[in-house]
Amino acid sequence: QQPVQSPQAVILREGEDAVINCSSSKALYSVHWYRQKHGEAPVFLMILLKGGEQKGHDKISASFNEKKQQSSLYLTASQLSYSGTYFCGTEIQGAQKLVFGQGTRLTINP
Amino acid sequence: EPEVTQTPSHQVTQMGQEVILRCVPISNHLYFYWYRQILGQKVEFLVSFYNNEISEKSEIFDDQFSVERPDGSNFTLKIRSTKLEDSAMYFCASSGDRGPLYEQYFGPGTRLTVT
Repeated sequence: QQPVQSPQAVILREGEDAVINCSSSKALYSVHWYRQKHGEAPVFLMILLKGGEQKGHDKISASFNEKKQQSSLYLTASQLSYSGTYFCGTEIQGAQKLVFGQGTRLTINP
Repeated sequence: EPEVTQTPSHQVTQMGQEVILRCVPISNHLYFYWYRQILGQKVEFLVSFYNNEISEKSEIFDDQFSVERPDGSNFTLKIRSTKLEDSAMYFCASSGDRGPLYEQYFGPGTRLTVT
């Protein structure tokens, strides 16, 4: 039931792009993306509802492919502040909870 | 900007003792959650709460755990008899009146250490 994230870790230089994927074996109602910095609480990034929409703000965007039950998070022209662990949280319709993936650790080097 | 607050930030307790973790959700939010995160691992759902009752709970949330909204502002998680494996960061979250699971806002967490 836990979504699977890939890759587990990414190391980039500032300005490079990254894609983080989140796949589920179950039919999803929504996918939530969070970023967590070391020792801090997860911070909400965006939510995507079923319907295959794409969202974004600044240089971070995401898509949700309902047919594949997969969401992807795109970080373009990465900044040092993007470093952290990214979690996808998935919601199955009718279930009042988010199930999180294992996280993707993103390191941005100058 | 409104935020979720949690107290204490760190709690050390002995195995077998009861602990109560406190949270003050964002004031106009209606949906409340507890999650835990064992060091270096993923965030795990414990329980969701709406309209003064539990909406959903995970397998982790056994009879040792209980939640309460005692006064309309606080939201508490009680662990009756702590075990070593309860050591983790506990996050409270709340979401607003647009419906369940919209933009869950997380508090800063309470680090629970069971010795």
